[in-house]
Amino acid sequence: DAKTTQPPSMDCAEGRAANLPCNHSTISGNEYVYWYRQIHSQGPQYIIHGLKNNETNEMASLIITEDRKSSTLILPHATLRDTAVYYCIQYNQGGKLIFGQGTELSVKP
Amino acid sequence: DTEVTQTPKHLVMGMTNKKSLKCEQHMGHRAMYWYKQKAKKPPELMFVYSYEKLSINESVPSRFSPECPNSSLLNLHLHALQPEDSALYLCASSQDRVRHEQYFGPGTRLTVT
Repeated sequence: DAKTTQPPSMDCAEGRAANLPCNHSTISGNEYVYWYRQIHSQGPQYIIHGLKNNETNEMASLIITEDRKSSTLILPHATLRDTAVYYCIQYNQGGKLIFGQGTELSVKP
Repeated sequence: DTEVTQTPKHLVMGMTNKKSLKCEQHMGHRAMYWYKQKAKKPPELMFVYSYEKLSINESVPSRFSPECPNSSLLNLHLHALQPEDSALYLCASSQDRVRHEQYFGPGTRLTVT
């Protein structure tokens, strides 16, 4: 079963930052937080992952709380093409990616 | 090349048919995966291959038979499927099972009549 909880849906205005929260209160010391997204009718796309430090790449930033029980994915300037379902996954390397229900992000003009 | 290709894009088959789904990657990845995704649901893992050997079977019915003939190719053989097996079948690959940045293909939309 998926171990993370996310809000089922969120809206964001185009050009603004989208902040997507994720709760992973049962995460253990060797488990990573992975984020994927799935644009309608496409396969999921890897976004970013982290263990305990904040991470940034060309797509997004990942902020993990000090106690590691929650994290926030930040899309700094959301565009209409960022409309998708975003999945936060608690993952033990060598294990399995178990997708939860995700957050459906709608970016509106 | 960071692409995972899947063929066919769409497949309609009867319950007595035998068909195969094909997945290919040329990124040198040594782990490959099959997922099943029903409408409005998240992807569910079916099988994992690591270095061409089956390492995880998530209790998938035997009417689904995976095959990994070489490190670039993954097949899913289908036989005697049920209408409830209609779904989007996604293939993914990753460098290995430790590094879990998975690259997904676009999927095959399967309809069983």
